[in-house]
Amino acid sequence: LAKTTQPISMDSYEGQEVNITCSHNNIATNDYITWYQQFPSQGPRFIIQGYKTKVTNEVASLFIPADRKSSTLSLPRVSLSDTAVYYCLVVRDTGGFKTIFGAGTRLFVKA
Amino acid sequence: GAVVSQHPSRVICKSGTSVKIECRSLDFQATTMFWYRQFPKQSLMLMATSNEGSKATYEQGVEKDKFLINHASLTLSTLTVTSAHPEDSSFYICSARDPRTPTYEQYFGPGTRLTVT
Repeated sequence: LAKTTQPISMDSYEGQEVNITCSHNNIATNDYITWYQQFPSQGPRFIIQGYKTKVTNEVASLFIPADRKSSTLSLPRVSLSDTAVYYCLVVRDTGGFKTIFGAGTRLFVKA
Repeated sequence: GAVVSQHPSRVICKSGTSVKIECRSLDFQATTMFWYRQFPKQSLMLMATSNEGSKATYEQGVEKDKFLINHASLTLSTLTVTSAHPEDSSFYICSARDPRTPTYEQYFGPGTRLTVT
């Protein structure tokens, strides 16, 4: 399963757009990309999933280039409450569901 | 969305005792549940995959005799930490997938904070 690499931390200000990029060079054809958000002392919460190109939902967008070796989570107009750790996961569901958490990106939103 | 609960939310036990943590899917049936452990300021580490009606699958390096997993029903999986020691103190989180959800989303429980004294 492809290992993921993300920046360890990022700082932003309220109202700005934040883009967090994740690399997954060894992603396989059938693998999907998912992103989760985790607040301290809580379980992670699903944000978005994608396979290729662009996916958008009510909270974020996910951009995946054609080679799928990376993905970028875009959070529009962040607020203080978006301060959290964001994890990029590669998911494989052939021969059993498998996913591995990487180190994650600690996003700190300042006023 | 689907809800996963855990009980207890935090527990303190003495070294050498055993602790059981429950993970329940409240509004869906989960044939598979996952158990993670998270140390402070670190990422989640998958410990094992719990399969209803069969033995759990443990990740490399996780002692199956120390971390007993039972998935006796489609809505309940339990993790028992046997003969707990201070180094087992951690945040334990379970997750499950709702078969009705079209994505690969995992629903995570709120976690259980275990402190071994």
